[in-house]
Amino acid sequence: GIQVEQSPPDLILQEGANSTLRCNFSDSVNNLQWFHQNPWGQLINLFYIPSGTKQNGRLSATTVATERYSLLYISSSQTTDSGVYFCAVGGWAGGGNKLTFGTGTQLKVEL
Amino acid sequence: NAGVTQTPKFRILKIGQSMTLQCTQDMNHNYMYWYRQDPGMGLKLIYYSVGAGITDKGEVPNGYNVSRSTTEDFPLRLELAAPSQTSVYFCASSNRVGTEAFFGQGTRLTVV
Repeated sequence: GIQVEQSPPDLILQEGANSTLRCNFSDSVNNLQWFHQNPWGQLINLFYIPSGTKQNGRLSATTVATERYSLLYISSSQTTDSGVYFCAVGGWAGGGNKLTFGTGTQLKVEL
Repeated sequence: NAGVTQTPKFRILKIGQSMTLQCTQDMNHNYMYWYRQDPGMGLKLIYYSVGAGITDKGEVPNGYNVSRSTTEDFPLRLELAAPSQTSVYFCASSNRVGTEAFFGQGTRLTVV
């Protein structure tokens, strides 16, 4: 199956700093999503982005499908951005629109 | 707009007991999924369904069973609970291949 690698595994930022999270995947995909898991464990959909670029407020994401990677940008970080960020991808093989998750980037934003 | 609803939110089971985790969605999605998340890890697929009456195994199906009698509901059954099944369980749904998946709020299960 598809392999998903996220980097960095851990990140500590001062409030107001910018950051870039990376997701590499091993095969062509028909689905790529970024999630934020907050400290209460909820999975929040950030972006559905199998290709191209999207922006939502301070967050933006870019997926270069031909080179098999996606980037999540967080600008002017806030303490509420803390949590784990997951990349999940869906491949063409096997059917069912199944998602394979990376192991996440643990982000802590400090005052 | 409820989306994907899971019950219960928390549960403690004794070894050997059985239980059913409930999942329902109101978006008329064809595809539904069960994932588990162990501490410090990403989610792993247990079972999925592409429509009523059709289910298939995911990456970690052992110790679980599912059924899909309606479009809305996709319950997950644990038989003979074991400590290795202590985890957070997430249900999700999506409309078709290549579309966005939406997740429920999770069920935190502890087996003691």
